[in-house]
Amino acid sequence: GAVVSQHPSWVICKSGTSVKIECRSLDFQATTMFWYRQFPKQSLMLMATSNEGSKATYEQGVEKDKFLINHASLTLSTLTVTSAHPEDSSFYICSARDNNSGGLGAFFGQGTRLTVV
Amino acid sequence: GENVEQHPSTLSVQEGDSAVIKCTYSDSASNYFPWYKQELGKRPQLIIDIRSNVGEKKDQRIAVTLNKTAKHFSLHITETQPEDSAVYFCAATPGGSYIPTFGRGTSLIVHP
Repeated sequence: GAVVSQHPSWVICKSGTSVKIECRSLDFQATTMFWYRQFPKQSLMLMATSNEGSKATYEQGVEKDKFLINHASLTLSTLTVTSAHPEDSSFYICSARDNNSGGLGAFFGQGTRLTVV
Repeated sequence: GENVEQHPSTLSVQEGDSAVIKCTYSDSASNYFPWYKQELGKRPQLIIDIRSNVGEKKDQRIAVTLNKTAKHFSLHITETQPEDSAVYFCAATPGGSYIPTFGRGTSLIVHP
């Protein structure tokens, strides 16, 4: 089946630093990838839709200058949390749509637990 | 935009019983409805999905039903087992945007 790999699975960083999270589709091409944030015992909150070769589409309330998204190839999207603060600590998950699955199915990465100290 | 409501938020059953989770959606343009299972600290896993041209789909102990007129769909798990314990999310995906909107999740607890 379709595999999405997210790296790192966890990271601890100091307040004020930036963190980059990678999302790769290993065995399929993904024109579109999604970035979510999940708080404990809560649902998946869509942050942005990442489109290969073009600018990401951010959801209302998500700061695009703080959460930089780059989707430079059909298999890789990156999310950079800039100038991280403790309130950015969360579980970040990406998902990718398989171009060849009719465009409907999305597969999730394993998530990244970010802790800002 | 799409709005998905999911109930109940918590469901506790005895092993062997059936479990039903219900979702409603608001956008009549939604045509794809996946269900995900998420174990603690892990990624959501797609367990079953249904498209709007189908009313019911079954895969072993799991089934999903869809009522387009009423805009609701349900997940049915029969003969529950402790390993079914997890959080389950429904989602509705409008055709065209392909962006799924997730329900708030149901924490299913299966007692041995």
